Amino acid sequence: GAVVSQHPSWVICKSGTSVKIECRSLDFQATTMFWYRQFPKQSLMLMATSNEGSKATYEQGVEKDKFLINHASLTLSTLTVTSAHPEDSSFYICSASGQNTNYGYTFGSGTRLTVV
Amino acid sequence: GENVEQHPSTLSVQEGDSAVIKCTYSDSASNYFPWYKQELGKRPQLIIDIRSNVGEKKDQRIAVTLNKTAKHFSLHITETQPEDSAVYFCAASQSAGGSYIPTFGRGTSLIVHP
Repeated sequence: GAVVSQHPSWVICKSGTSVKIECRSLDFQATTMFWYRQFPKQSLMLMATSNEGSKATYEQGVEKDKFLINHASLTLSTLTVTSAHPEDSSFYICSASGQNTNYGYTFGSGTRLTVV
Repeated sequence: GENVEQHPSTLSVQEGDSAVIKCTYSDSASNYFPWYKQELGKRPQLIIDIRSNVGEKKDQRIAVTLNKTAKHFSLHITETQPEDSAVYFCAASQSAGGSYIPTFGRGTSLIVHP
């Protein structure tokens, strides 16, 4: 159990365009989703935490108007990178947890975003 | 907030040797400590976890120990194999899921030489 699907796995977009990344929990209800950004050879940097039906809580320094997070259902959360720029190029990864604490935190497969 | 320190940042061993990665945490309220293995370009995979009511947990070649008094926990890999080469992250959280935010260590790059 505890499978999280993330799409797309990689995307290349032009500067100024927006990109949407989806994260789905396939076999459990994800009451909380976490969105991370990871730079090469570095740890996971938490961007925001979202609880189903509530507004996301963003970490300090993360622009909420640039990284739009929606968690409208217990199985789906989306991260939209708006007006993307080359410095937004990174590996974005979601993690989901449910009220059943037997699952812990389960990661999606990640999305490699390249902005050209 | 919680602060997790992880050492070493890089660990190089010969195949068959043991590898030990250590983490310390600061928040005494933390009681769930998972370890993740991340291969290049892939998702972190949970390899073992431990809760505060247990001092040690073992799963084949992998074991984790926890010292709540000293606030540190360690990952032990015995009889290392080249496929164990990856980045390992420790984490600490007040609960195994829910809305509690896990705090991750900076990662240890383990290299197992054949």
